[in-house]
Amino acid sequence: RKEVEQDPGPFNVPEGATVAFNCTYSNSASQSFFWYRQDCRKEPKLLMSVYSSGNEDGRFTAQLNRASQYISLLIRDSKLSDSATYLCVVNPNDYKLSFGAGTTVTVRA
Amino acid sequence: ETGVTQSPTHLIKTRGQQVTLRCSSQSGHNTVSWYQQALGQGPQFIFQYYREEENGRGNFPPRFSGLQFPNYSSELNVNALELDDSALYLCASSGQGTHYNEQFFGPGTRLTVL
Repeated sequence: RKEVEQDPGPFNVPEGATVAFNCTYSNSASQSFFWYRQDCRKEPKLLMSVYSSGNEDGRFTAQLNRASQYISLLIRDSKLSDSATYLCVVNPNDYKLSFGAGTTVTVRA
Repeated sequence: ETGVTQSPTHLIKTRGQQVTLRCSSQSGHNTVSWYQQALGQGPQFIFQYYREEENGRGNFPPRFSGLQFPNYSSELNVNALELDDSALYLCASSGQGTHYNEQFFGPGTRLTVL
């Protein structure tokens, strides 16, 4: 079983729509969780850290369900600039990050 | 504040050769991690360096090795290159304090092995 699994998508949504997607993780001892955004052929950039049950940052809301071992990301009022691959990331120990393969989101005009 | 930098940007090698990739950490960060990202996949953890010592390692063979220098910059060395080593190699740095495990990535080195 993969450490982090994501729905690869693609999610193709119109501007202004809400889009949400999940990821699941296998290591129940994981303590830290993140969402990174990666544009084509660029490096991953930290979008949000998820330290408790969830948090909100502008149009982005992340939820963490430790009992079911999943994390979700919701994007409200989608912008064209939100088109990217979103990587679910879990920190199973003090040194490594485990990445999912990414969920592709395309926002169309 | 200076971000994470990596060199070179692109590299083409042939099978069996050796390669050295370089990374300078973000100012104030003392920990460097290296990842390999194949096309269509998420980054895979190679190893991490803290205070010039390897602090943890992923499932990569010994021909992947590294160094960290007193100024916290780092090198990734790969010997006996194989075709499957073709990938984007990412360096990430992290610091201390409450958010010590948030990692910030450099632009990567794209390695092609022919």
